[in-house]
Amino acid sequence: GDSVTQMEGPVTLSEEAFLTINCTYTATGYPSLFWYVQYPGEGLQLLLKATKADDKGSNKGFEATYRKETTSFHLEKGSVQVSDSAVYFCALSLLLNSGTYKYIFGTGTRLKVLA
Amino acid sequence: NAGVTQTPKFRVLKTGQSMTLLCAQDMNHEYMYWYRQDPGMGLRLIHYSVGEGTTAKGEVPDGYNVSRLKKQNFLLGLESAAPSQTSVYFCASSYSRSALIHNEQFFGPGTRLTVL
Repeated sequence: GDSVTQMEGPVTLSEEAFLTINCTYTATGYPSLFWYVQYPGEGLQLLLKATKADDKGSNKGFEATYRKETTSFHLEKGSVQVSDSAVYFCALSLLLNSGTYKYIFGTGTRLKVLA
Repeated sequence: NAGVTQTPKFRVLKTGQSMTLLCAQDMNHEYMYWYRQDPGMGLRLIHYSVGEGTTAKGEVPDGYNVSRLKKQNFLLGLESAAPSQTSVYFCASSYSRSALIHNEQFFGPGTRLTVL
């Protein structure tokens, strides 16, 4: 069935280190892909998105490229800051034959950045 | 626009008590969702709605009921609360018909519920 798999955390990095959080998906059809971020005590908020193959989503220095051939949407940032400490969720949205949308979240990856 | 709002923000219940969590959105979204988030378990979908007057079960619906009488509101009810329902509850909405395929979800700030 349709699913999203992301790397387990926690991921602990020093400030200014390079970040990669892996996300792969399984889907029948052509999903849109998303990364959400959840800061402590808050709800999820959209970080970036990509709606078709080879699209690159970017925001706040984070990037992810929609790779259809590897069914992946890895999140990267060149230089993390302490303020990036949060939980990151990969997700997909899929239009079903019924005309409704199906939304699937990964389990989340906690990132901790040390000063 | 307020976006997605949830009331209450915090609540403590005793086992067997009932309560209703209210979610409201002012973005004219068609879809609304209720999730619960427990430590180390990510988000789990409880119930969702694809339009006014319609609801459907998600991954973990037992012990909860929902209603969507108005497009902007989505209510989550606990008829007889149990300690296993201690969690943080998030409401989300998505899909304005004019938004085409992007369909990102907008989340509320959450309700922290403790059942003793």
